[in-house]
Amino acid sequence: SQQGEEDPQALSIQEGENATMNCSYKTSINNLQWYRQNSGRGLVHLILIRSNEREKHSGRLRVTLDTSKKSSSLLITASRAADTASYFCATDAGQGAQKLVFGQGTRLTINP
Amino acid sequence: KAGVTQTPRYLIKTRGQQVTLSCSPISGHRSVSWYQQTPGQGLQFLFEYFSETQRNKGNFPGRFSGRQFSNSRSEMNVSTLELGDSALYLCASSSGIVRGGVEQYFGPGTRLTVT
Repeated sequence: SQQGEEDPQALSIQEGENATMNCSYKTSINNLQWYRQNSGRGLVHLILIRSNEREKHSGRLRVTLDTSKKSSSLLITASRAADTASYFCATDAGQGAQKLVFGQGTRLTINP
Repeated sequence: KAGVTQTPRYLIKTRGQQVTLSCSPISGHRSVSWYQQTPGQGLQFLFEYFSETQRNKGNFPGRFSGRQFSNSRSEMNVSTLELGDSALYLCASSSGIVRGGVEQYFGPGTRLTVT
């Protein structure tokens, strides 16, 4: 079963605009991670944010985490056509094993 | 460092057969996890191995099994294949021992089609 939900399920924007994706989860977590997947290929790790962190940046990516609301958001600024992909959030309960529970993902399309 | 490799990349099997998938983690990584991805169920955790021991298992039937060798390479086996086993099987590796969690590095996946 999925840990949480991602919103929206699909997002289509123009190149250069910002894209925001949201993720909600249900149980306590050790950390939350965001991954990108291009057309049925392997997942690429983007950012890991720990439960005691509120915000992290990596290049054009900004992730926030609100543990009181059990939610996270991923912001991609100045989007590019190459950002077209599916984006997944994954939670790690940290119970001594590397077990990620994924959301259903957001399909992002960047139009040139 | 070389990334996570998975073999084979594509596989077509018949119902009732069995299949073995292989995963070679990033050098130095001791944790290997397996995930199944389908359009209907999304990404689901199968199991994780660390230093040849299974540390956690997802909610899959006993037809799904795995193992890890002393060089951290891992294999996943599915016996008595069913049509619903058609999926992309992803392997991920990590150091597995960082407090607070650590990112996982995924391989390209094995696309299994059961006919």
